[in-house]
Amino acid sequence: DAGVTQSPTHLIKTRGQQVTLRCSPKSGHDTVSWYQQALGQGPQFIFQYYEEEERQRGNFPDRFSGHQFPNYSSELNVNALLLGDSALYLCASSYRTDWGEKLFFGSGTQLSVL
Amino acid sequence: GQSLEQPSEVTAVEGAIVQINCTYQTSGFYGLSWYQQHDGGAPTFLSYNALDGLEETGRFSSFLSRSDSYGYLLLQELQMKDSASYFCAVCSNTGKLIFGQGTTLQVKP
Repeated sequence: DAGVTQSPTHLIKTRGQQVTLRCSPKSGHDTVSWYQQALGQGPQFIFQYYEEEERQRGNFPDRFSGHQFPNYSSELNVNALLLGDSALYLCASSYRTDWGEKLFFGSGTQLSVL
Repeated sequence: GQSLEQPSEVTAVEGAIVQINCTYQTSGFYGLSWYQQHDGGAPTFLSYNALDGLEETGRFSSFLSRSDSYGYLLLQELQMKDSASYFCAVCSNTGKLIFGQGTTLQVKP
């Protein structure tokens, strides 16, 4: 049973560019949440997708957008990259009735913006 | 808004017991979760409390007091492999999970 998979594992971009990160949830899960984790900090909630719609959003600008596909996989897009966007981006999946009790995290995508 | 407070660092020796406290302020509180994250790794779920009291899972226990907006994670019989960051996270009634800044636990021989 595959867990949460994310790609790519590492990515280097320059300021102003755009990036797309991908996530496949754990088998049987239908809800995907995205988090940004800066070095030495806790994960910060970006948004959550369920039934192909953004259900909740954290305090992130519109440069951060996402999508969920019919197979429950998800993408995170960041436009006009800033140096401050450098972080580990984590995808977490759950089943909708878990109400966030127990999330399964992927290993993340380490994004470096130069 | 929502906020969580936990100590930034804790140090203990192998075989000891350590308690990591977490206080929170939030609206729509649903439960308190704990996650472990080793350097370079993904956060992994440890425990969840929705009701007041103690939940025990092997060497780890977690406690919640809703009236005090307080919880703690108790780690017993510490092992070197327990050296990691530990995060408390508040689950809201909308299903959003908000993490604290984390506590770095260093276990010494």
